[in-house]
This record gives sequence, structure tokens and C-alpha cells, in this order.
Amino acid sequence: QVQLQESGPGLVKPSETLSLTCTVSGGSISSYYWSWIRQPPGKELEWIGYIYDSGTTNYNPSLKSRVTISVDTSKNRFSLGLTSVTAADTAVYYCARRPNYGSHFDYWGQGTLVTVSS
Amino acid sequence: DIQMTQSPSSLSASVGDRVTITCRTSQSISNFLNWYQQKPGKAPQLLIYAAFSLQSGVPSRFSGDGSGTDFTLTISSLQPEDFATYYCQQSYSIPFTFGPGTKVHVK
Repeated sequence: QVQLQESGPGLVKPSETLSLTCTVSGGSISSYYWSWIRQPPGKELEWIGYIYDSGTTNYNPSLKSRVTISVDTSKNRFSLGLTSVTAADTAVYYCARRPNYGSHFDYWGQGTLVTVSS
Repeated sequence: DIQMTQSPSSLSASVGDRVTITCRTSQSISNFLNWYQQKPGKAPQLLIYAAFSLQSGVPSRFSGDGSGTDFTLTISSLQPEDFATYYCQQSYSIPFTFGPGTKVHVK
């Protein structure tokens, strides 16, 4: 059974960089697309971007100038970096897997709340 | 971006009821439409992908239909564990976008 686990600071100061890691267990990170998705409190879900195991990325244009997603296949994990954060970036951040045969998200991490505050 | 709308935004229902939720997209997306269930404090769970394909392990009381711009999720006989929020998501074009959600609560 594939499992995803997000990790990283729960509190980030305004203007700083949010950094999260998603560790994949129970399966290989290879040959899948891996996404980050966030959900501000009480609001809807927003797709941030994805990375393939080759390192190919695609980002939401609304965040593209501030987002970097990277992958470490040797450690079976991928990471999110979001620069110049503001209170609007406060959200639960999820990592998720997208299989090759479709563009849906079949496995999700439990999510981690990141609060942007001084 | 493709805009998503869902109706109703919330509904009250009883165990055993047949429930239908509608999702509409701002442009045609063929059958690139997925449905998720989310319970409070939990991650979304995939129910239906590609408009009508049931994800492995999901009960058969869930079904999806539609193509183009109009889609439906139907729960044939609502069970106690089905009270949750349901989201549609388009996977036709980047950026992938989600609907605003439909909350199903106890009547």
C-alpha cells in the first residue's frame, strides 16, 4: 500500500520560503507524477504543480514565479519550495500521486498545516 | 483556467436517500473529470476518475456520469459514512482545477 507523508515547518514568517518534503513509502517514486495541492482553511483545493521522476515539472501559472518542485529518487521523496510567502499562503498542504494512465490523484498524504505569521 | 461550479453547495439528506451532485465546467473537457470525498481533517479520497470509472475499493453505490461540460456524481443509497464534502476536479488542462465542493449533511 502506497503511503505519502508530508514533513516540514508548521510556521513560516512572511516573505520567507516555505519548504516541505513528501516521503513515499510502499512503492517506488519512479514512473509516476507527483503533485502538491493546498487548501486554505475552509476553502477549496488548489493544485500547485507536479513533477515526474525525470525531473519534468509543470506549475500552476498563478504560483509559477514562486514555486519549485524537486525530486530525489534515491530517497523516494519530492519537495516543495514556495518563496516570498504571505498570509494568503496559509493552508493545509497535501502531496499526492497521479498515475500514468490518468490525471486524477489516487494517493494523498494526510496533509500538513502551514501557517504564515510573524 | 477552466472554471468549475458545483450544485448544490450543500444538501441535507437521510440514510438511504439517493443523492445527485452536479459539476459544470466553463469549457468542454471531454471526460476528464474526477470526483473526491473529503471528511473533516482528512485528505480527499478519489471516488471516480475519467467521469465514470470507479476507483478500486470504492463502494458501487457511487457512480459518475457526463461528458463535455456537465457531470454528475450519484450516491444510490446514502450510508452514514457518506456524510462529507464532495469535490469535482478537471484534468483536461493545466492548471488542474477543483470545484468549490458540495457538503452532504444529515437532514
